[in-house]
Amino acid sequence: GAGVSQSPRYKVAKRGQDVALRCDPISGHVSLFWYQQALGQGPEFLTYFQNEAQLDKSGLPSDRFFAERPEGSVSTLKIQRTQQEDSAVYLCASSFAASSYEQYFGPGTRLTVT
Amino acid sequence: QKEVEQNSGPLSVPEGAIASLNCTYSDRVSQSFFWYRQYSGKSPELIMSIYSNGDKEDGRFTAQLNKASQYVSLLIRDSQPSDSATYLCASRSGGSTLGRLYFGRGTQLTVWP
Repeated sequence: GAGVSQSPRYKVAKRGQDVALRCDPISGHVSLFWYQQALGQGPEFLTYFQNEAQLDKSGLPSDRFFAERPEGSVSTLKIQRTQQEDSAVYLCASSFAASSYEQYFGPGTRLTVT
Repeated sequence: QKEVEQNSGPLSVPEGAIASLNCTYSDRVSQSFFWYRQYSGKSPELIMSIYSNGDKEDGRFTAQLNKASQYVSLLIRDSQPSDSATYLCASRSGGSTLGRLYFGRGTQLTVWP
């Protein structure tokens, strides 16, 4: 079946602009995760949803980062007033359940802040 | 801090050889472990998961877990040039951070013909 999809695949934003990144998980997957991957590093956890509930947002680096999943399927990661240090690949992953199933990643959105 | 450390690369092996990738983790509560393969410019792709001590084999891949030593490894037998990628080790805790994965920095593997 279809995997995790993300859009846009590439985003260039001027410093100070707001951006919204979309994730469409695998159908039927309850859990959805956002990760940030800087060049040469492993992915770093940002936030986690189980259905529409955001159960863990401890990885969000600042209050400029906000995520939502209002109907328990598609999720949006929003970054307000983007800064150069926000430049990274933003990865979305989904799993059937959080505690005992594998996570599958989407293709990512590469964000470049100029 | 729940850290996952991977052996420093890059690792270079000839085609047909066994590639050995190693990973240690600091959180004793970690219960599940994963190996992801990431080609340059692509997203991580799950290749192995392991949950209990011992070996788990899938085709040319074998994952090994030793919880007492807090050590995970991935062996790739009969390495092919198409195996050239960065391999990410990840752990998942069973504690309060249920669900989130902790990743190492990755080991870059090159298989030369």
